Amino acid sequence: GAVVSQHPSWVICKSGTSVKIECRSLDFQATTMFWYRQFPKQSLMLMATSNEGSKATYEQGVEKDKFLINHASLTLSTLTVTSAHPEDSSFYICSARDRGRQMNTEAFFGQGTRLTVV
Amino acid sequence: DAKTTQPNSMESNEEEPVHLPCNHSTISGTDYIHWYRQLPSQGPEYVIHGLTSNVNNRMASLAIAEDRKSSTLILHRATLRDAAVYYCVGGGGTSYGKLTFGQGTILTVHP
Repeated sequence: GAVVSQHPSWVICKSGTSVKIECRSLDFQATTMFWYRQFPKQSLMLMATSNEGSKATYEQGVEKDKFLINHASLTLSTLTVTSAHPEDSSFYICSARDRGRQMNTEAFFGQGTRLTVV
Repeated sequence: DAKTTQPNSMESNEEEPVHLPCNHSTISGTDYIHWYRQLPSQGPEYVIHGLTSNVNNRMASLAIAEDRKSSTLILHRATLRDAAVYYCVGGGGTSYGKLTFGQGTILTVHP
């Protein structure tokens, strides 16, 4: 099946610094990718929709200036957590669908990135 | 986006069938019903999806009610590796790829 790869798998950073997370579709092209955040023992919360070549669409309550999303190519989207604080510590997950297939196909998820801000 | 309701947890014994229910009474006519499962500290894994007809694949079966307000994921013979959080998700029909997750069902499989 299709593979979505996230990097890094985990990261620890100091409060006030920025962290970049990469999401790559390895064997398909994705016009649209999605970023989720998941706190312990909770479900996935959609943060934003990343669109190749255009601005990301953020869900209500998600600060676009804090969570910068760039989708520069059909296989890469990045999420940058700027000026990270301990409350940003979470599990970040991306997903993508194959643009070459029908709209009703399954989504493929990355393995997630565990961010810890100290 | 379709709101889904699932039991918080379910238990099963190994080798027995498991029926995981999901209510999605507000689902739109074009939204598919997706099921994903997630192991701790991993991204979700696709299980199955469908629109109106029942669906089968190597992992599971999906039984969709005629009125589409509910569905049931069927694992025919549970194994210990099937222990996970199972999410029933509505979406993707009109909003390309956008899936909104509910709380999911924690499935415990006993040896």
